[in-house]
Amino acid sequence: KNEVEQSPQNLTAQEGEFITINCSYSVGISALHWLQQHPGGGIVSLFMLSSGKKKHGRLIATINIQEKHSSLHITASHPRDSAVYICAVRGSQGNLIFGKGTKLSVKP
Amino acid sequence: NAGVMQNPRHLVRRRGQEARLRCSPMKGHSHVYWYRQLPEEGLKFMVYLQKENIIDESGMPKERFSAEFPKEGPSILRIQQVVRGDSAAYFCASSPYRDRITSGANVLTFGAGSRLTVL
Repeated sequence: KNEVEQSPQNLTAQEGEFITINCSYSVGISALHWLQQHPGGGIVSLFMLSSGKKKHGRLIATINIQEKHSSLHITASHPRDSAVYICAVRGSQGNLIFGKGTKLSVKP
Repeated sequence: NAGVMQNPRHLVRRRGQEARLRCSPMKGHSHVYWYRQLPEEGLKFMVYLQKENIIDESGMPKERFSAEFPKEGPSILRIQQVVRGDSAAYFCASSPYRDRITSGANVLTFGAGSRLTVL
């Protein structure tokens, strides 16, 4: 079993829909990151959080440390949101442990 | 202020050849991280370097792989005698701080990756 599990693996949505991507982890962490990987391959850091909730534009990230679970929400989704969203946790050794990613496709 | 620059973006090698991947960190960043993304797999940490020093190479295969970050010039990930299983995307990221202390991916900037294909 992977230390970081994401669901779903693939997600197709219609423009305007509310989207949720989930991340569960099995190790103790100091922080959790959400990254976005564009079709061209570039990776952008979206959020780093260790508790509670963060919001940036139409993106919201939450984390529940007790349940070892985080969610990434996208409100009013748009085709330009189509990308792979990657959850990564910072374990006790300090290095990032990545999930396999969730491939999101938003149709117009 | 250019971001993290990786080259080549695409590299094709035959089995047994050598592959060299370069990473120029963002201006002002002295910490470099290499990650590998195998097809259908998540990113995996390989090595963490500062100028002229390898800080953590716990994710690097013991044989054929090496990394350096010289005083002048880019960081280089070198793969000798490549095999088909080395085919992957190799990402470099840089940070102005020691990543372990800051724990902030928000100060970790990724390059666009180098895609290695071994025939």
